[in-house]
Amino acid sequence: QVQLVQSGAEVKKPGASVTVSCKASGYTFTNYYIHWVRQAPGQGLEWMGIINPSGGSTNYAGKFQGRLTMTRDTSTSTAYMELSSLSPEDTAVFYCARSAQYTTSSDSWGQGTLVTVSS
Amino acid sequence: DIQMTQSPSSLSASVGDRVTITCRTSQYISVDLQWYQQKSGRAPKLLIYSASGLQSGVPSRFSGVGSGTDFTLTISNLQPEDFASYYCQQTYSTPYTFGQGTRLEIK
Repeated sequence: QVQLVQSGAEVKKPGASVTVSCKASGYTFTNYYIHWVRQAPGQGLEWMGIINPSGGSTNYAGKFQGRLTMTRDTSTSTAYMELSSLSPEDTAVFYCARSAQYTTSSDSWGQGTLVTVSS
Repeated sequence: DIQMTQSPSSLSASVGDRVTITCRTSQYISVDLQWYQQKSGRAPKLLIYSASGLQSGVPSRFSGVGSGTDFTLTISNLQPEDFASYYCQQTYSTPYTFGQGTRLEIK
């Protein structure tokens, strides 16, 4: 069955960077886009960006430009999301999700990774 | 960016009720509108794709309609497991914005 398994919780200090991984199984990794979505405590969902695992092209939401990097490793079917210059306002659960096309729905999601930013 | 206006922000209903959640976009998005359910501490789950398509495995009491800028999610015959938060999302143009969410609570 389709699975997206994310890396574990992280605690970071302000100014640091965090990398979250998302390992895909049960389908052909390069046939589906990967999105990253975050959710601050008690808040709604916020779309961060998308990566095409086939060619590696990315599209980031404007508010994250300059400090967000999405990459992938096709040999291990794993997508990565790196967010730099962290502040306490970045404390959130980060989700990866897949979609069959660039503009279609996300039909499978990772379990989420809590990133806590605190001094 | 496309702005999403989802209402109501919270809703109280009883088992067996029929409820409707609306999502309005700030510009035309065709039918590129998705609906997700999220239970506390869990990842979102796709319910409705392309405004009205029922995702495989989702009960038929969930339905979606709309196109252009106005969309609705209807849940008929509410069941105990339906009490959760619901989000719309547009995938017409990036950034793929979400609505603010609707929290559906038991009356």
